[in-house]
Amino acid sequence: EAQVTQNPRYLITVTGKKLTVTCSQNMNHEYMSWYRQDPGLGLRQIYYSMNVEATDKGDVPEGYKVSRKEKRNFPLILESPSPNQTSLYFCASSPAGRGAGDTQYFGPGTRLTVL
Amino acid sequence: AQSVTQLGSHVSVSEGALVLLRCNYSSSVPPYLFWYVQYPNQGLQLLLKYTSAATLVKGINGFEAEFKKSETSFHLTKPSAHMSDAAEYFCAVSRKAAGNKLTFGGGTRVLVKP
Repeated sequence: EAQVTQNPRYLITVTGKKLTVTCSQNMNHEYMSWYRQDPGLGLRQIYYSMNVEATDKGDVPEGYKVSRKEKRNFPLILESPSPNQTSLYFCASSPAGRGAGDTQYFGPGTRLTVL
Repeated sequence: AQSVTQLGSHVSVSEGALVLLRCNYSSSVPPYLFWYVQYPNQGLQLLLKYTSAATLVKGINGFEAEFKKSETSFHLTKPSAHMSDAAEYFCAVSRKAAGNKLTFGGGTRVLVKP
């Protein structure tokens, strides 16, 4: 089954404790992206990747890191989480890096709480 | 910069009634437009998208949307609401010059009353 998977689905942590949220897709997509969803704000892009070893900042990159060493994986790293990073996070992928009309396929989400 | 405005964060409709969700965008060039739906505790699923072909776009589950350039709008409609339509709906825009970034509106939560 074609899908985007994220782990963990739920995470409660404390301020300053480094964490990684994994994202994997099995559709051989070039483009991958991370969004955060906050009430009333919709989804906002954190980072994106056009292909392996090609990443760039989105609209809200502060406090986050990403890497793209393999085509299928795009982990989101919070080096020192803070309470304002409590949010619902989504990973997405699409087949072409420069096709703005391409459909993005979303993972099930990771609900993160930082105490 | 492009932006998306969804009028009404919550909409309540009766089962069988028309569903109308409003979306206006601002963009200096014609964008690509999307409607996504999010069911409780799930990720986002594409309902439909406009990519400069027909201005009336039909999607899944009986939804459709009309691109009106003069009004910079892309409203979503469904003639007859079903209980299963209860979800949150997001309008989004992307442009070629911005890569594949989706810029989302704030979302509209739909409640369907029996």
